[in-house]
Amino acid sequence: EAQVTQNPRYLITVTGKKLTVTCSQNMNHEYMSWYRQDPGLGLRQIYYSMNVEVTDKGDVPEGYKVSRKEKRNFPLILESPSPNQTSLYFCASTPSGRARAGELFFGEGSRLTVL
Amino acid sequence: DAKTTQPPSMDCAEGRAANLPCNHSTISGNEYVYWYRQIHSQGPQYIIHGLKNNETNEMASLIITEDRKSSTLILPHATLRDTAVYYCIVRPRGLTGGGNKLTFGTGTQLKVEL
Repeated sequence: EAQVTQNPRYLITVTGKKLTVTCSQNMNHEYMSWYRQDPGLGLRQIYYSMNVEVTDKGDVPEGYKVSRKEKRNFPLILESPSPNQTSLYFCASTPSGRARAGELFFGEGSRLTVL
Repeated sequence: DAKTTQPPSMDCAEGRAANLPCNHSTISGNEYVYWYRQIHSQGPQYIIHGLKNNETNEMASLIITEDRKSSTLILPHATLRDTAVYYCIVRPRGLTGGGNKLTFGTGTQLKVEL
């Protein structure tokens, strides 16, 4: 089954304790991205990657890092989490072909709480 | 991306057609209309997209007006599982910056009831 898998799905942590949210897709997609969703603000893009070793900032990259060492994986790293990073996070992937460029496949989400 | 306007909420009886409107009066000629939905904090799910012709797939139908300034997503026989926030998104044709970033608005909360 084609899917985007995120882990963990739920996490409560404390300020300053480094954490990584993993994302993996099995569709051989070139493009991957991270979004966060907050009440009243909708979904906002954090980082994106257009291929292995190619990453770039989205609209709200502060406090986050990413890496793309393999095509299928795109982890989101919070080096020193703060309470304002409490949010619902989604990973997404999409094929690079023009015909399906707007069809994003989203993971189930990771709800992060930073105390 | 062009701005879209959707009603904040709608109700629909189970088994009836749900018609969700979207206004995109500033859409340009190379922009498509996409629809996604999000069921209770799950990841958004792609539904359908179109340029100017009506489109239909196994999930829904998309009707785009001739002037392309508005569209309607139709769920022909809504079920309780269709209760979700539906997002209408306008984006340029093909590949875009930001790794094909999508800009989500606030969408329409569809509630399907017995």
